[in-house]
Amino acid sequence: QKEVEQNSGPLSVPEGAIASLNCTYSDRGSQSFFWYRQYSGKSPELIMFIYSNGDKEDGRFTAQLNKASQYVSLLIRDSQPSDSATYLCAVNDYKLSFGAGTTVTVRA
Amino acid sequence: DGGITQSPKYLFRKEGQNVTLSCEQNLNHDAMYWYRQDPGQGLRLIYYSQIVNDFQKGDIAEGYSVSREKKESFPLTVTSAQKNPTAFYLCASSPGLAGVGGEQFFGPGTRLTVL
Repeated sequence: QKEVEQNSGPLSVPEGAIASLNCTYSDRGSQSFFWYRQYSGKSPELIMFIYSNGDKEDGRFTAQLNKASQYVSLLIRDSQPSDSATYLCAVNDYKLSFGAGTTVTVRA
Repeated sequence: DGGITQSPKYLFRKEGQNVTLSCEQNLNHDAMYWYRQDPGQGLRLIYYSQIVNDFQKGDIAEGYSVSREKKESFPLTVTSAQKNPTAFYLCASSPGLAGVGGEQFFGPGTRLTVL
């Protein structure tokens, strides 16, 4: 049974700060990793994907992958109130396995 | 506009009824998926389909059924055998099943409530 674990929330950060989200996975053979953002009552929205070890940056978001440690993270720089949402980590072999999500609240 | 549509947005079911949730995509994606989300929890996979006329059970398929007669359509039936069907149901599609191109895109969801 694949498992994807995320750091328990909620995570509260002041506006302009960095929010750091962590995710670990149990299947060492996993190849692709995704971060989704889900606003309350809405469906998940893909914000980042990463396949290779290292960092991948897209605007204010940076995904970091370390396959040896089975760890993937998401950094949100210059956090804005509009970033307040639940962030879901997902790991894909032939299907996506999702973590339970971390709820982020950005305080104005 | 390309995307995934789900209908209805809200659905109410009486005990013992079967209901069918619609999912249509015009992204020309091969793979389609159904997930269930309960409050405060992540997504759990119900069924997925890689190609037309083929589909596989996910982690929680009991009490559900699907069909894939057309590439763009993947309806989900919640049967009376599903004992706790109240949840948020999400349909997704992806270009392929895994790896590069395995990123999934979600429809807006259907919120099912059992009365």
